[in-house]
Amino acid sequence: AQKITQTQPGMFVQEKEAVTLDCTYDTSDQSYGLFWYKQPSSGEMIFLIYQGSYDEQNATEGRYSLNFQKARKSANLVISASQLGDSAMYFCAMREGLRSNYQLIWGAGTKLIIKP
Amino acid sequence: AAGVIQSPRHLIKEKRETATLKCYPIPRHDTVYWYQQGPGQDPQFLISFYEKMQSDKGSIPDRFSAQQFSDYHSELNMSSLELGDSALYFCASSTITAEAFFGQGTRLTVV
Repeated sequence: AQKITQTQPGMFVQEKEAVTLDCTYDTSDQSYGLFWYKQPSSGEMIFLIYQGSYDEQNATEGRYSLNFQKARKSANLVISASQLGDSAMYFCAMREGLRSNYQLIWGAGTKLIIKP
Repeated sequence: AAGVIQSPRHLIKEKRETATLKCYPIPRHDTVYWYQQGPGQDPQFLISFYEKMQSDKGSIPDRFSAQQFSDYHSELNMSSLELGDSALYFCASSTITAEAFFGQGTRLTVV
């Protein structure tokens, strides 16, 4: 079974609108971490935001916030006031367990295109 | 702030040749990870090192090997290259805590 599911292969959003990128995960671990990364067309992988499974508050980083619903196992990324530069692939990823070293489990990604 | 440095950024090799990719982690990061991302795919974990010892192994082919040196930089060695090895290779580094930071990647093209 897929551990990380991103159901939106692609999205078009009007500039300045808010956008929500979906991510659901599957794990039996009590301790885990959830990540969102942005990959522009240039290829680099840019860390956006992190949510730990024990964090009680939703993570926020500037225009990015993570809507963490633990019972539903979802970790949607919300981008407020979208900008043209937000056009990119967005990957949701998960680290299972409290390991000092880890491999990220990745979703298939969502291609976000911001329209002017 | 210092980031993860990967070299080279681009590499073109012929089939059956060898390639060496280098990664310089963020200072004081003790863990290095290598990922392979094929065109249109999500990154696939290859291998990781913690304190210069191999810690996890993913879908790394036997033709590939990697190591982490005393200065914490890491090298991914790829031999008998195949066309299917053409991909973006990422190195990431982290400490024991949360996020991993990625380098800009090395785009390997095998012709």
